[in-house]
Amino acid sequence: GNSVTQMEGPVTLSEEAFLTINCTYTATGYPSLFWYVQYPGEGLQLLLKATKADDKGSNKGFEATYRKETTSFHLEKGSVQVSDSAVYFCALSKPDRGSTLGRLYFGRGTQLTVWP
Amino acid sequence: EPEVTQTPSHQVTQMGQEVILRCVPISNHLYFYWYRQILGQKVEFLVSFYNNEISEKSEIFDDQFSVERPDGSNFTLKIRSTKLEDSAMYFCASSPHGLAGAYEQYFGPGTRLTVT
Repeated sequence: GNSVTQMEGPVTLSEEAFLTINCTYTATGYPSLFWYVQYPGEGLQLLLKATKADDKGSNKGFEATYRKETTSFHLEKGSVQVSDSAVYFCALSKPDRGSTLGRLYFGRGTQLTVWP
Repeated sequence: EPEVTQTPSHQVTQMGQEVILRCVPISNHLYFYWYRQILGQKVEFLVSFYNNEISEKSEIFDDQFSVERPDGSNFTLKIRSTKLEDSAMYFCASSPHGLAGAYEQYFGPGTRLTVT
C-alpha cells in the first residue's frame, strides 16, 4: 500500500542552522510528493511539491528533491529562521482504485522549533 | 485570500452523542475532503466528495460517519454516536480539481473533537 515515514521530532535548532527533515515513502508507480506546513493555530499549507522523479520542489528557501531510487523526499533549508517554527508534514498522493481525487497519505509530522 | 474555515474550533461531547463538524470550503472549489489526526499519530484520510456524492472513503469511515453538502456552501461531517477513539483533530480540505497531484488541497485550521 501507500505510506509515508517521516523522521520523529521534535527538532530544535538555532537560527541560521541547516535543516533536514527526512521523509521516505512506499508506493507503487509514480506518486506525487508534498511537504505541508502547519503554523500554530492554522491549517495545513502546501509548502512545496514534486510530481515526478528528479523534480525539485522549492519555496521560501525550503527544497526537496524527488528521489525514486531511494524513495525519499527530504526537506532541507540552508538557514532557518524563528518564523519557520511549525509542524512539517510529508505526504504523497496517488489515485487508488480508479479514484482521481488525489487522496493524500501523510507522515506523522515533525515539530520544528527555532531559537533566536 | 480565500480560505477554508471550520467550526467549531473545539468540540467536547459525551460518548454516544452525535456531533456535526462544519466546514466552509473555498467558494469555487469542487472537491472536498475530510482528514483526521489522532494525537501523536498520522493525518489520516477519511473521505472525498464530489458532485454531491462520496468519491472515496477509507476503512475508518464506517456507518457512524456521514458527509453532506446541505446548502452549496457548507460541507459537514457527522458522527452519529461518538466513541472515545473518535477524539482527534478533524481537518477539512477543498480543491479546485481532483486530479492527483496536479492541484493543491487547501486545508482548514481543524476542529479538535474531544469525546469524554
